[in-house]
Amino acid sequence: NAGVMQNPRHLVRRRGQEARLRCSPMKGHSHVYWYRQLPEEGLKFMVYLQKENIIDESGMPKERFSAEFPKEGPSILRIQQVVRGDSAAYFCASSLGTLSEAFFGQGTRLTVV
Amino acid sequence: DQQVKQNSPSLSVQEGRISILNCDYTNSMFDYFLWYKKYPAEGPTFLISISSIKDKNEDGRFTVFLNKSAKHLSLHIVPSQPGDSAVYFCAASAIVWGDNQGGKLIFGQGTELSVKP
Repeated sequence: NAGVMQNPRHLVRRRGQEARLRCSPMKGHSHVYWYRQLPEEGLKFMVYLQKENIIDESGMPKERFSAEFPKEGPSILRIQQVVRGDSAAYFCASSLGTLSEAFFGQGTRLTVV
Repeated sequence: DQQVKQNSPSLSVQEGRISILNCDYTNSMFDYFLWYKKYPAEGPTFLISISSIKDKNEDGRFTVFLNKSAKHLSLHIVPSQPGDSAVYFCAASAIVWGDNQGGKLIFGQGTELSVKP
């Protein structure tokens, strides 16, 4: 049973470009979460999705950021018109349901140059 | 608004001794707590969890204690081993977050544990 798969592991984008981060949850998991870790900081919640639904996006910046978890395929975190401050490690996690442990992927390290 | 706080950024312990990592929370809606371990350049790895109906949960060398009245939890590692050296995050969740369903985890800032041989 493969774990949570994130790709790419490393992503370099120039300012103004778009970044697409992918996350395939563990088999059987229908809950997906995205977190961001800025240098020297903890993990900040961004968004919680179930299949085809955004349940809680209270941690998402209001502009440029969007997330989806379609019926088929991986969850996508999309950052439009990236800026230097978007440089961070982005982690995806999945779980079977609420109040169960979430399993994390290896993360995508986004660098904006 | 830091709802989950780990006030010690770092902790150094001798191999074989006990490591105690502390975590405080402010939101009384939290009813599920977890500890994660993280190595550099890797994702967090789940260690142990505890529901608010319990005050202790044990798994091998790891024990988590929950004091609901003090809104405090701690992770004990006995005996500590050099391989335990990592950043430890506590996290909390609630069945219901206001109008939203539960599930999201709120993390503390992390404590970097160093176990010296």
